[in-house]
Amino acid sequence: EAGVAQSPRYKIIEKRQSVAFWCNPISGHATLYWYQQILGQGPKLLIQFQNNGVVDDSQLPKDRFSAERLKGVDSTLKIQPAKLEDSAVYLCASSLVGSAEKLFFGSGTQLSVL
Amino acid sequence: GNSVTQMEGPVTLSEEAFLTINCTYTATGYPSLFWYVQYPGEGLQLLLKATKADDKGSNKGFEATYRKETTSFHLEKGSVQVSDSAVYFCALSGTSGSRLTFGEGTQLTVNP
Repeated sequence: EAGVAQSPRYKIIEKRQSVAFWCNPISGHATLYWYQQILGQGPKLLIQFQNNGVVDDSQLPKDRFSAERLKGVDSTLKIQPAKLEDSAVYLCASSLVGSAEKLFFGSGTQLSVL
Repeated sequence: GNSVTQMEGPVTLSEEAFLTINCTYTATGYPSLFWYVQYPGEGLQLLLKATKADDKGSNKGFEATYRKETTSFHLEKGSVQVSDSAVYFCALSGTSGSRLTFGEGTQLTVNP
């Protein structure tokens, strides 16, 4: 079974630029999550989708972050404009039934904002 | 709100040493508790879990017991190997079931 795919693996941008990350969840997984993992901290949930609807985006900085999941499969997370404090690893995860007990994570996109 | 606190790290051990990584939590209701592991260059992987008080999760020689009276879920292994070198995260999911709250992570290095 293929895992959660993310791209790019690394991204370096300057502050105020825009950046987008892509995630392809495990086939058939209805629930998709984006987490932000700042160096030395645990991952923090940014947004959760159930199919193509948003379930929880309470911790998403909506003035600069946006995410979409068209057709309930792939998802894109965008930052515009980026700030220095956005430097982090962005993790995508998916689950079949929306349960934390059956969550699968991708390898992440490491973002450096200079 | 929910929170997870892990012991300060990093932890460096010799091969075959005993490992304990402490984890305590704050949550309302009856959360499920997890340990995730992140090997270098890889994604987070579920190591073990416990869904109710006094449950013991175990996998690959690692164990953790859900202690509601002390709100703890300490990770233990009797004899660590070099291949156990990784970052370990304690996490919980609340009564809603799907959102994970993570601790800060503990870097474990095992030397031959």
